[in-house]
This record gives sequence, structure tokens and C-alpha cells, in this order.
Amino acid sequence: DSGVTQTPKHLITATGQRVTLRCSPRSGDLSVYWYQQSLDQGLQFLIQYYNGEERAKGNILERFSAQQFPDLHSELNLSSLELGDSALYFCASSVEGHDTQYFGPGTRLTVL
Amino acid sequence: AQKVTQAQTEISVVEKEDVTLDCVYETRDTTYYLFWYKQPPSGELVFLIRRNSFDEQNEISGRYSWNFQKSTSSFNFTITASQVVDSAVYFCALIAGNNRKLIWGLGTSLAVNP
Repeated sequence: DSGVTQTPKHLITATGQRVTLRCSPRSGDLSVYWYQQSLDQGLQFLIQYYNGEERAKGNILERFSAQQFPDLHSELNLSSLELGDSALYFCASSVEGHDTQYFGPGTRLTVL
Repeated sequence: AQKVTQAQTEISVVEKEDVTLDCVYETRDTTYYLFWYKQPPSGELVFLIRRNSFDEQNEISGRYSWNFQKSTSSFNFTITASQVVDSAVYFCALIAGNNRKLIWGLGTSLAVNP
């Protein structure tokens, strides 16, 4: 158990809908990262937050947004969902910067 | 450009065989960090090792060992006396320079057969 929690574990929804994925980092970790794992693109970095502020942005679509709250948990919002958004979404946390990122169990999103 | 290449897509071995998973990385930064993660069939990503660019010492942890060679930009992972529980996808990843994101290889799927 990495200490990073993610909910829900599975999510099935329809095209055009909006969903929210939630992540709680390990105790003491200030950085939260979101990654998407799909069959065709592999693991891709989406976005990083550090202590409530956005720090880095990767291949995140405009339909996606994220935030980190004062209690350091983070949410990833996916809207206007398309079939191609079906993937495994991971949250990771670290103390800072180059430290090891520990991953949550992931949320498997299926868009029908 | 920063890149991680895992040339072996799939490897199949018989239990107790030794197996080496290759990882080649590219970066122009002098400071970087290399990682290996394991993704078993259950889907989670499990951290195995982190190495920084200034520490070329090889590491052994039980049946696992890692060979870091800056001269060839490689960070290979060997499992000695493989077991069925080692069956998983293994990812090599890189954090370089001022980036905080992990740059991933495509992974090597290892099947250890009884």
C-alpha cells in the first residue's frame, strides 16, 4: 500500500458527461501528479500541483481540469467525455520535485 | 529531448531463469533521476528503485539488481531466479532537469511461466 488513495476505483459513464476523480496524497506529501494510461499512448503526465498551486502541465486537454485543495487532496475533472478518454487515471504524490512519486491504485474510466 | 526507450515489448521466461529488462534514456541534463516501476495484473504502479545521475553504483535488492551505466545511457534491471509472481509490466522512467514529471518508457511485459 503506497498510502495514496484514489476514488472511485471504477467509473462507467456516457459520452458528453462530466466526472470527477479524487486523490488523497500520502501524509506529508505536498506534490500531487495526475497521469493517464491508455493502450495507444502509454503513460502520459497530465498535471502537477504543489501545496495548492499548479506547478507543471503536460498533455492535458482543455476539457480536463484539476485542483488541489487546502487539505492537499486533489480532484481531476473530465468534461464533455469522449470514447477516447477511456483510460486508467493515476494520481501520485511526492514530498517535492525530484523525489520518488508514489502512485495510487488508479481509477479506471470507461466512456460508452 | 528527453526520452526513455524499452526496446523489449514482451519477454517470456520459465521460472528460475534470470531475465534482464533493458532501458535506454536520453537527456541533455546533467542532473536526472531514473526509476523503475512494476505494474502487476491488478493494475497498480509499484515503485522499485530511484537512482540519481551522480550515483552510478549498481544496486541489489534480494533477487532484483540494477545496472546503471552513464556511458551507454542505460539503466537495466535484472531479476535473478524469476518467479511467477514477477509476471508484470515493468516501466523505466526519467525525471530530468527542472522537470518534475515522469517520462515513461512503453514498458516491458514479463511473463514468468511455471
